[in-house]
Amino acid sequence: QVQLQESGPGLVKPSQTLSLTCTVSGGSISSGGYYWSWIRQHPGKGLEWIGYIYYSGSTYYNPSLKSRVTISVDTSKNQFSLKLSSVTAADTAVYYCARDLSGSYYFLNWGQGTLVTVSS
Amino acid sequence: QSALTQPASVSGSPGQSITISCTGTSSDVGGYNYVSWYQQHPGKAPKLMIYDVSNRPSGVSNRFSGSKSGNTASLTISGLQAEDEADYYCSSYTSSSTYVVFGGGTKLTVL
Repeated sequence: QVQLQESGPGLVKPSQTLSLTCTVSGGSISSGGYYWSWIRQHPGKGLEWIGYIYYSGSTYYNPSLKSRVTISVDTSKNQFSLKLSSVTAADTAVYYCARDLSGSYYFLNWGQGTLVTVSS
Repeated sequence: QSALTQPASVSGSPGQSITISCTGTSSDVGGYNYVSWYQQHPGKAPKLMIYDVSNRPSGVSNRFSGSKSGNTASLTISGLQAEDEADYYCSSYTSSSTYVVFGGGTKLTVL
């Protein structure tokens, strides 16, 4: 059973860059066949897909965040990462990493989520 | 404002059935059979309950079922149990450049 675990700072200052890492266990990112996504949930609100990466490094981002988002993968560590630049209070959210079978458009595996607060 | 529209809340008594709607457009729900539903308990990650409109992942109770008519998808929970009390989110593939879109969520209260 694949497990995902987010890690990173829980507090980021405005205008700085939010950085999170998702560590995958029980399966290999480099085996292919899956998209590895970041999804966020603002406090008390719905879900927002941020973007995904394939093991090859190809990415696809939500157009509303594209100018500030970078997702990268480190297959040697079985990890993928999110960077969100120029954050504001509106980026305060629980950030989840998740996996979907390429082209399936549903997320079977999720991390537990990590709360990131943007505040000075 | 979420791309897909769900009622903010629904409620039902144990043993009853409830249905949660999810309305989109022909660019998402109505145009493709890629609707999924997630259950989320407080402080927990979402859990996939239905995919491709009406399919259940292994381990999900057959009390949960999904359907679609036009631009509206529905999640039905039969034989309501206390443990079903949670937030439910729908999601769909979209032909816009956003890959997938989610609904705003529906809070289910088991009375």
